[in-house]
Amino acid sequence: DAMVIQNPRYQVTQFGKPVTLSCSQTLNHNVMYWYQQKSSQAPKLLFHYYDKDFNNEADTPDNFQSRRPNTSFCFLDIRSPGLGDAAMYLCATSRDAGQGYEQYFGPGTRLTVT
Amino acid sequence: AQSVTQLGSHVSVSEGALVLLRCNYSSSVPPYLFWYVQYPNQGLQLLLKYTSAATLVKGINGFEAEFKKSETSFHLTKPSAHMSDAAEYFCAVSEQTGANNLFFGTGTRLTVIP
Repeated sequence: DAMVIQNPRYQVTQFGKPVTLSCSQTLNHNVMYWYQQKSSQAPKLLFHYYDKDFNNEADTPDNFQSRRPNTSFCFLDIRSPGLGDAAMYLCATSRDAGQGYEQYFGPGTRLTVT
Repeated sequence: AQSVTQLGSHVSVSEGALVLLRCNYSSSVPPYLFWYVQYPNQGLQLLLKYTSAATLVKGINGFEAEFKKSETSFHLTKPSAHMSDAAEYFCAVSEQTGANNLFFGTGTRLTVIP
C-alpha cells in the first residue's frame, strides 16, 4: 500500500563523509522532487526530475546531487556533508507537471551529521 | 515569484472549538493552492487543494478552505477541533504553468487543549 518510500528513515553520517538517501515510488509518477526541511522550517525544494530531465533550483549547493536511474527510484547524494546539512529530507512525486497536480510525500529521512 | 504568508506560527485552540489557520498568497494570477499537514517525524499529507473550480474546498478530516480572490486568502478551517488535529500545517502555492514546484509558507503549529 505504500506509495512513496524513503530509506533509511534515520541516517547518521560523519562530517565530510558522502551519504546517499533513497526514494522509491509505486505510483508511476513522472515527476520526483527532493526537499530539505530544517527544524521548525518549511520544506525547501532542492531539485526535481521530470522523467529523466533534471532541474536544479538556483540556490541548491553543488554539494547536493541527484540520480534517477528509472521511473521508480531517485537518489539524493550529499558529497561532503556539513553540520548545516542536518535536516529532514523529503521525497515527493506528482503525476505530471503543471495543472495543479498534487504532490505525494514520503515519510522523510532525518539526517544527522556528527 | 509565488509566495505565501501564514499568519501565526503557533495557534492554540480548545478541543471542540473552531480551528482557523490563515494563509495569504501573492500572485497577480490566481495560482493553485494547497494545505498540507505534517505530524512529528513524518512526511506531508495533503489536506485539500484549490485548482480554480469551486472556491470552497472540502478536504479530509473535516477541514475546508475558502479561496477569496479579493483578499488573496486561502484560510483553513474546521468547525470542531479534535486532539488528533495537533500538528504542523503548511499552506503552499504552485504556478499554473511550469514544473508544479510548491512554495511553502513557514507553517503553523496547531495545539489542541483538552
